[in-house]
Amino acid sequence: QVQLVQSGAEVKKPGASVKVSCKASGYTFTSYEMHWVRLAPGQGPEWLGIINPSVGSKTYAQRFQGRVSMTRDTSTNTVYIELSGLRSEDTAVYYCARALSSYHGMDVWGQGTAVTVS
Amino acid sequence: DIQMTQSPSSLSASVGDRVTITCRASQSISTFLHWYQQKPGKAPELLIYSASNLQGGVTSRFSGSGSGTDFTLVISSLQPEDFATYFCKQSYSTPYTFGQGTKVDIK
Repeated sequence: QVQLVQSGAEVKKPGASVKVSCKASGYTFTSYEMHWVRLAPGQGPEWLGIINPSVGSKTYAQRFQGRVSMTRDTSTNTVYIELSGLRSEDTAVYYCARALSSYHGMDVWGQGTAVTVS
Repeated sequence: DIQMTQSPSSLSASVGDRVTITCRASQSISTFLHWYQQKPGKAPELLIYSASNLQGGVTSRFSGSGSGTDFTLVISSLQPEDFATYFCKQSYSTPYTFGQGTKVDIK
């Protein structure tokens, strides 16, 4: 079945970096965009950016420019997000989610990766 | 950035009630508006895409409407499994932005 499986929870110190993986299975990896969204306690979801697994193009949310990097490995059907310069406000659950296009919405989500900065 | 304003932020309702949640965009987003449901400890799930299209496998109790700046999610007859938080999200332009959420709980 279609699924996105993310790496496990992380605890990091302020200023450190974190890298989260998202492994796709059950569909053609290069046919869907992959988004990263985070949810912090008591806040609405926040979109971090998107990567096109086919060509590797990326668009990041401006507020994370310079701190975020998204990559993909087509040999393992895996996308990665790395966030550097961590601060306490980055404590959240990070999700990958696929979308066929901007018209279709994010129809499959990973299980989430809790990142704690403390 | 496009701001998404959801209302209400929370509501209490009974099983069988008709529930309406609204989402307003700070500028026109055509129909690039999607609705998600999230339950505690779970990932969000897509309910409605492009304002009014029911995602496959989602019960027809859910419906969406609107275009431009004003959108509505309706739950026609609230069921116990519908108690959750609902988010709208625009995909008209990056950065994609979400509403703050509407928490639906039991009256």
